Amino acid sequence: DIQMTQSPSSLSASVGDRVTITCQATQDISNFLNWYQQKPGKAPKLLIYDASILETGVPSRFSGSGSGTDFTFTISRLQPEDIATYYCQQYDNLPYTFGQGTKLEIK
Amino acid sequence: QVQLVQSGAEVKRPGASVKVSCKASGYTFTNYAIVWVRQAPGQGLECMGWISAYSGNINYAQKFQGRVTMTTDTSTSTAYMEVRRLRSDDTAVYYCARDRQGAIDPWGQGALVTVSS
Repeated sequence: DIQMTQSPSSLSASVGDRVTITCQATQDISNFLNWYQQKPGKAPKLLIYDASILETGVPSRFSGSGSGTDFTFTISRLQPEDIATYYCQQYDNLPYTFGQGTKLEIK
Repeated sequence: QVQLVQSGAEVKRPGASVKVSCKASGYTFTNYAIVWVRQAPGQGLECMGWISAYSGNINYAQKFQGRVTMTTDTSTSTAYMEVRRLRSDDTAVYYCARDRQGAIDPWGQGALVTVSS
């Protein structure tokens, strides 16, 4: 199985800050990488697919980039409602695998 | 709208089995696969496997091979996932979700399975 390593595992930032999360795959997955947001007690929500395409209805402050083995997720200006845990997920090979998550908190 | 509605919470004894259902609506069921993902308390997301609603082809994560069975009923647009020989570390929220060419969307509301003696 392809392993996905996310960093950091937790992050504290202030409203308005730029936040960056990275995700690394153990092999080349091209751009077959998605990002999800999960709020407590809720199911995950798809934010970005194919590494960089914003899902319909998702605010433009969210963005993704990368290809191959290294990927980045960015929130350009952190808002209070962005407090959540974020996960990357590869779909190059079955079974799909997720990063371990990044818990984002407000400073 | 596209929606997946799962069965309710369950409490099971160790060694028992549980079967979670996932009813799809708002789209053509056989045009997509279903993915099953679980999340233990306070932990991350773990993909258990994938089933094509069109062909019935299945891919199980190695960890769950032999203990998990995924099925679909195209007549009712419902997917099922059964876990046998439950252990305490199977306590988790179990999600079904639609596989949209690799993007997992939408997700069901989740079904909490508690394994306790």
